[in-house]
Amino acid sequence: DGGITQSPKYLFRKEGQNVTLSCEQNLNHDAMYWYRQDPGQGLRLIYYSQIVNDFQKGDIAEGYSVSREKKESFPLTVTSAQKNPTAFYLCASSSTNLGEQFFGPGTRLTVL
Amino acid sequence: GQQLNQSPQSMFIQEGEDVSMNCTSSSIFNTWLWYKQDPGEGPVLLIALYKAGELTSNGRLTAQFGITRKDSFLNISASIPSDVGIYFCAGQGNAGGTSYGKLTFGQGTILTVHP
Repeated sequence: DGGITQSPKYLFRKEGQNVTLSCEQNLNHDAMYWYRQDPGQGLRLIYYSQIVNDFQKGDIAEGYSVSREKKESFPLTVTSAQKNPTAFYLCASSSTNLGEQFFGPGTRLTVL
Repeated sequence: GQQLNQSPQSMFIQEGEDVSMNCTSSSIFNTWLWYKQDPGEGPVLLIALYKAGELTSNGRLTAQFGITRKDSFLNISASIPSDVGIYFCAGQGNAGGTSYGKLTFGQGTILTVHP
């Protein structure tokens, strides 16, 4: 089946540790995105990538890093510099920059 | 970042009732999207609108792209229990002069349907 997968579904991390969230898509989409969702709020853009080996900061990039070495994969690292990392993280992809975005199932990160 | 004003924030309705929610923005958008999110899951695209004044249906759902390009609404007719969830609007296009197709999201409408 074509789609977007995120792993793991739940992730627990101790304060001060870096953690990497996985996002893979087999839709052959060029653009990929990472969003953060907090309770009662809409989605906020962390990073996005329009093409392999290129990515740009979104609205809340501080404390996060990404890579785009393959078209199918766009992993997000939550670093220890992120002050409030506990949140629900969503990955999305689209075929073009101005296209409908399709979302993965999300990863819930909890910092203990 | 810029956010859309989505209302109402929450709705409690009886099964069979119709539902209406809307989003407004101070900026113009070229595309409006409506998503539904179930608890603990990613948003699912319901309807995409690309033209000012466009009215599009998807089953019991109907959405319109406002003629000013600054607003959109979503109607759900004859609600059923599985309509429960959070509904998000998202605008895309020239808001704030961005050129990469950034989606700006509303804060969501939480819908509860009582059987």
